[in-house]
Amino acid sequence: GAVVSQHPSWVICKSGTSVKIECRSLDFQATTMFWYRQFPKQSLMLMATSNEGSKATYEQGVEKDKFLINHASLTLSTLTVTSAHPEDSSFYICSARPVSGELFFGEGSRLTVL
Amino acid sequence: TQLLEQSPQFLSIQEGENLTVYCNSSSVFSSLQWYRQEPGEGPVLLVTVVTGGEVKKLKRLTFQFGDARKDSSLHITAAQPGDTGLYLCAGGGYQKVTFGIGTKLQVIP
Repeated sequence: GAVVSQHPSWVICKSGTSVKIECRSLDFQATTMFWYRQFPKQSLMLMATSNEGSKATYEQGVEKDKFLINHASLTLSTLTVTSAHPEDSSFYICSARPVSGELFFGEGSRLTVL
Repeated sequence: TQLLEQSPQFLSIQEGENLTVYCNSSSVFSSLQWYRQEPGEGPVLLVTVVTGGEVKKLKRLTFQFGDARKDSSLHITAAQPGDTGLYLCAGGGYQKVTFGIGTKLQVIP
């Protein structure tokens, strides 16, 4: 299947700092990528849809100034958590679709804000 | 908003037992996917079902799509400890995918 890679896999940061997470489609081009947040023992919550060359579409309740998304190319989307606070600690996952239409996920990035 | 309900949410069984996980909705989906997620990792696609009434098999896993394309089931035969994980069903259009809450399966040796 297609490969989606996230980096970093885990990150620990101090409160107030910003953290950038990268999502890359390694063997296909993705005009659309998706960012999710997952709390322990819960399902995936869609945060936003990242569109190459245009602004991201955020889900209701997700602060766009807090979670900055940039879809710089057809193979890369980044999620920046700005001025992170302990409540932002979570598991963040991205996904992307090749032409086949099936959704493939990155490995996830665990953020811990001290 | 299309919603997917999964049941049961938690399941702990002995190795060798059979189990079925259900995914239900009041909405019609053009397709449904099943994923398995292990702790600290992203979900991995198991199967996509597209046609109403379709049955797909993946070794000891059998997936079925309801005739009306509103529900799906995952049946595992002779569960193994390696089957332990979070099973998610998902459906929706190209731009947006809805996930079920997930079924956390534990297979005890």
